[in-house]
Amino acid sequence: KNQVEQSPQSLIILEGKNCTLQCNYTVSPFSNLRWYKQDTGRGPVSLTIMTFSENTKSNGRYTATLDADTKQSSLHITASQLSDSASYICVVSPPSGGGNKLTFGTGTQLKVEL
Amino acid sequence: NAGVTQTPKFQVLKTGQSMTLQCAQDMNHNSMYWYRQDPGMGLRLIYYSASEGTTDKGEVPNGYNVSRLNKREFSLRLESAAPSQTSVYFCASRVAGSAYEQFFGPGTRLTVL
Repeated sequence: KNQVEQSPQSLIILEGKNCTLQCNYTVSPFSNLRWYKQDTGRGPVSLTIMTFSENTKSNGRYTATLDADTKQSSLHITASQLSDSASYICVVSPPSGGGNKLTFGTGTQLKVEL
Repeated sequence: NAGVTQTPKFQVLKTGQSMTLQCAQDMNHNSMYWYRQDPGMGLRLIYYSASEGTTDKGEVPNGYNVSRLNKREFSLRLESAAPSQTSVYFCASRVAGSAYEQFFGPGTRLTVL
């Protein structure tokens, strides 16, 4: 069983609409939780990084939230654009390993259409 | 700054052939990583180098070797390629410290026939 599970697996929305992606993790304790954006054929790019004590972190139209009690995180995208079409990956960093051994989710594939 | 660069971008090998994937970063980062990404699976760590002169195994090291040539360069070698090593390989780097993000290269798409 994956230690980081994401839902939905894929999502199609219309340009301008909002959406929320979910991440459930079992890695505990953890140092930080990250969200990455991966465009097709490219490497992942960091969107947000939150420590276990933070509840929310924003980066432009992207807002990540964290509930350490329920072990859930979400990524909310506001006023979506065509360029938001990508895979969004939730990543958890356990305290052991000095941040070198990350646990990656399988990603949510988002498609934004006109 | 070019960030993290990888060569080649694409490669096709026959079973049993060997090759080296090259990675370089110009951000003066201490730590470097090699991952593989397969359909339906999250990125998996193959090897990492926490600092120049050190390398450690990750989750899936079998069939691979690495060399941290200097602070900038970290190579991944497949000695005898197998079809199970068909994947997209990503190199990443970061400043040492758990709170720092990893910066990824563009990837190498490898097919082993």
